This record gives sequence, structure tokens and C-alpha cells, in this order.
Amino acid sequence: SQELEQSPQSLIVQEGKNLTINCTSSKTLYGLYWYKQKYGEGLIFLMMLQKGGEEKSHEKITAKLDEKKQQSSLHITASQPSHAGIYLCGADYSGGSNYKLTFGKGTLLTVNP
Amino acid sequence: DAGVTQSPTHLIKTRGQQVTLRCSPISGHKSVSWYQQVLGQGPQFIFQYYEKEERGRGNFPDRFSARQFPNYSSELNVNALLLGDSALYLCASSLQGVEDTQYFGPGTRLTVL
Repeated sequence: SQELEQSPQSLIVQEGKNLTINCTSSKTLYGLYWYKQKYGEGLIFLMMLQKGGEEKSHEKITAKLDEKKQQSSLHITASQPSHAGIYLCGADYSGGSNYKLTFGKGTLLTVNP
Repeated sequence: DAGVTQSPTHLIKTRGQQVTLRCSPISGHKSVSWYQQVLGQGPQFIFQYYEKEERGRGNFPDRFSARQFPNYSSELNVNALLLGDSALYLCASSLQGVEDTQYFGPGTRLTVL
């Protein structure tokens, strides 16, 4: 089974609506990274969370890591067409050495104008 | 500042051939990681190099090899190509790798016919 599960797999929202993407780990996370990817392109770094209960925001995007450090959520407020893309969470399970990230399968977000 | 660069952008090869992909990290970054992303999946870790030493290797066959040069650029080599090697190959760089964010390049799209 997948170590890192993302839900939903895909999401279609109307411009201006809020949305949440979840990332659930089967084991304790040392760090959790959120990236955005346009189809067939590289990953754009959004945020990194390390401490249980941590919450970070950038523009209209907020990410949280729960206290037990096994689940993270990404919340977008007042979505815009520019938010469309694939959102990937990546887990650092390597005890802080961060020599590799384990990724979920991604959530495809479509924002209709 | 220039981000991570990769070359070539696209590549078409036939089964059994060999391929070399290249990556230049962000200036000042000493760690380079390689990931393979098959369509519809998240990226999968292949290798990480730091200061020209291999620091981690994912679950890939020996047909995959890599190296890092004194200027911290890196090459990924794949021998005896299989149809299943068709994927987007992503390179990521970070300052040192320990608790440092990985920044990704645009990727090289490899198609094996």
C-alpha cells in the first residue's frame, strides 16, 4: 500500500470557492513538503512543515501539519484559475537527513472561471 | 538567479539504447537528487549525490547510474532502455540535503519506443 495517500485524487471547483487537499502518512513524518506541478513540468516548492501543529501560509494557500505528524492539509481560499495544477505532498521519512522525499500520487485541481 | 536547469527537454530513444540526462543545480547548492515520474504518479526517488558522493539510492535496477561533477552538476545514465523507462526525469537541488528544501528543475521527458 502507498505510504503517502492524497485525497481527493481530483477536484473541480468554481473560481472563488475554498478547497482543501489532504495528505495522510502511514508513519511519522520528519518533514512534509507541498509542491505544485503544471502538467508535464517541474515541481514548484510551496511550503515545508516540520513541527507537529505547525501552520504556514503564503498568499491564499495555508498548510497545516497535525500534532501527531501523520497528516497534512493544504487549504486554498478564494481559488483562482492560476491555482489550477497538480498538488503533490512529499514526505521526509529519513530522520532529518532529507536525502530523499517520498511523494503521494498528487491531486489534480481544476478551477473553472 | 537561475533555477535548476536540465537538458535535454525531450528525448526519444528505442529499446536497448542508452541515454544520458544532465542537470545543473542552483548556484551554491551542493546536493543533487534524481526522481522518475511516470504518468499519473508522484515522483520516485532514484539517487542523491552530495559533494560528489552517492548518499542515497532508491529501488531502481543497476541499469540506472549517476555521478556528480566538481562543479556540482550531475548526469543520470540509463542503459538498456525498456519501454517502462518512459517518464519525466526530474532533478532537484538543495544546499546540503540535511533539512534543506529541494528545488526541482523542469524535467526531461524521455520516450522509449
